[in-house]
Amino acid sequence: QKEVEQNSGPLSVPEGAIASLNCTYSDRGSQSFFWYRQYSGKSPELIMSIYSNGDKEDGRFTAQLNKASQYVSLLIRDSQPSDSATYLCAAEGGSQGNLIFGKGTKLSVKP
Amino acid sequence: GAGVSQSPRYKVAKRGQDVALRCDPISGHVSLFWYQQALGQGPEFLTYFQNEAQLDKSGLPSDRFFAERPEGSVSTLKIQRTQQEDSAVYLCASSLGAFGQPQHFGDGTRLSIL
Repeated sequence: QKEVEQNSGPLSVPEGAIASLNCTYSDRGSQSFFWYRQYSGKSPELIMSIYSNGDKEDGRFTAQLNKASQYVSLLIRDSQPSDSATYLCAAEGGSQGNLIFGKGTKLSVKP
Repeated sequence: GAGVSQSPRYKVAKRGQDVALRCDPISGHVSLFWYQQALGQGPEFLTYFQNEAQLDKSGLPSDRFFAERPEGSVSTLKIQRTQQEDSAVYLCASSLGAFGQPQHFGDGTRLSIL
């Protein structure tokens, strides 16, 4: 069974610090990976997509992919209280491109 | 532009009733996915449409679940003879294509079965 594993947290960081979120995936055939942010009671919101090994930066967010280790991470620099949410890691793993999600890591940024 | 729209936002039904959940994807998006999200869990795949064709329904939990997208735009997820375990948030997502394209989610329908 294809799986995506995340530490459920909660992960607590002070305002201004770097938050580091990690996930691993089981399907070596996965080629596309996504990070979504989900506020309580809201729908998942796409933050980052990454397709090749290495780093991809977008503003305060950096996604990292290591296909050999089957590992994806998300770094949030200069964390803000508004970043407090659950972060979902997803790998494209289905026969038709559906996403396989982890359970999410709850991030809390303390002022 | 308009995002993915789902209705109703909340639905309460008695066990045994049938329910229908609607999804209006982003205009021009060929691919449409339905996911089910239980409390404290990540979304789980239910079914996939490419235009009007249902190409994958492997995630539907039972034959009580049925989905359609007859004109390749709006989709409806129907649950017959609802059970308490059907209580969850049902999310619809659309994308330009299947593989490698980011999926954009609607606000979901929170279904509660009494």
